[in-house]
Amino acid sequence: SAVISQKPSRDICQRGTSLTIQCQVDSQVTMMFWYRQQPGQSLTLIATANQGSEATYESGFVIDKFPISRPNLTFSTLTVSNMSPEDSSIYLCSLLAGDRSYNEQFFGPGTRLTVL
Amino acid sequence: AQSVSQHNHHVILSEAASLELGCNYSYGGTVNLFWYVQYPGQHLQLLLKYFSGDPLVKGIKGFEAEFIKSKFSFNLRKPSVQWSDTAEYFCAVNTSPGRRALTFGSGTRLQVQP
Repeated sequence: SAVISQKPSRDICQRGTSLTIQCQVDSQVTMMFWYRQQPGQSLTLIATANQGSEATYESGFVIDKFPISRPNLTFSTLTVSNMSPEDSSIYLCSLLAGDRSYNEQFFGPGTRLTVL
Repeated sequence: AQSVSQHNHHVILSEAASLELGCNYSYGGTVNLFWYVQYPGQHLQLLLKYFSGDPLVKGIKGFEAEFIKSKFSFNLRKPSVQWSDTAEYFCAVNTSPGRRALTFGSGTRLQVQP
């Protein structure tokens, strides 16, 4: 298994500001993912972040709103830009352990964001 | 693209009752299937997974799931639930080869009454 930590664990932000969420992993991983879990809903993939390449965003998510960095194999950040109350969610980073096609994903504890 | 359906949104059971949560997916190729659990205030944890082989898989805490390919289903079962099983349960799928990110179902909130 892998140990994933996220900072901050929660935050309350004002509309129009930005927040950067950090994800730290205790081992080197190639593929990381960022998900969003809106209140009372399931998880939705925001983007896939591979080290050494640009993040790949899902439909409905754009780089200007959710810029992602992946400077090395153990770290990634997700920024939620120009926030609005609709961005209030739990944001989770996830990694794919190993390189086999049948490996599993591990999830971080999440960052609970409230936008006023 | 694949999708996942969980038809039970909220299930209330008494302790010792049997549990079955439905999960259906749509995808024409090879899939990997997962059940995750999210206990109140905690992060997602993997309950069990299916990649290939025996379609009946056993996970942690007495849970099991059966992959029925002809029905595109991966239902989660437990013969006797406990109060501590109160949680949100998510079915998820990815494809192999192909999309490694998980596609999640909408989740089922299980409430076990003592």
